Amino acid sequence: AQTVTQSQPEMSVQEAETVTLSCTYDTSENNYYLFWYKQPPSRQMILVIRQEAYKQQNATENRFSVNFQKAAKSFSLKISDSQLGDTAMYFCAFNAGGTSYGKLTFGQGTILTVHP
Amino acid sequence: DSGVTQTPKHLITATGQRVTLRCSPRSGDLSVYWYQQSLDQGLQFLIQYYNGEERAKGNILERFSAQQFPDLHSELNLSSLELGDSALYFCASGTTLAGGPDTQYFGPGTRLTVL
Repeated sequence: AQTVTQSQPEMSVQEAETVTLSCTYDTSENNYYLFWYKQPPSRQMILVIRQEAYKQQNATENRFSVNFQKAAKSFSLKISDSQLGDTAMYFCAFNAGGTSYGKLTFGQGTILTVHP
Repeated sequence: DSGVTQTPKHLITATGQRVTLRCSPRSGDLSVYWYQQSLDQGLQFLIQYYNGEERAKGNILERFSAQQFPDLHSELNLSSLELGDSALYFCASGTTLAGGPDTQYFGPGTRLTVL
């Protein structure tokens, strides 16, 4: 069974600064995707970024980038130039095909607060 | 906007009642996933449908059932409701090509309150 662990229940950062959220996972699968989802106070689940396990290059989406360490099973999210609108709960999630049929397994979440 | 729609946004009902939650996937997506988010359980996978067929079951109670129709919209039916069923119910859709990993896009959710 797959597990996803986020060890930081809460983080805070000043506006315009950089923050990194941590995530570790455990799986025996070889073909999988990793994601970061953002859940702002509106409770909408918004896809932030995706990393495909077979790709060595770290994914980047504007101010969001990941540090994917496959051997260490680590998948951290770096937010650069933090904005007030980045305040949200962030979930790390794992998805493999095969016997898990593509269901998402989520971490516990990290509450990020961006201060002005 | 993810392209996934869910109705209703809010639902308030009493214990013992039955409700139906509706989801329409993104255009072209064949898979629909249902998730429950409660305060103490986090996000839990309930069930997946692919092109009308049930594909996987997670932590779904026997009082809950779902189906996916020919037009690919899906309904989640919750019956004999209990206070503990109060939660945010999300639908997500994805393409699920050839049984591989899937990128899922979430609808806005239905907030269910059981009184």
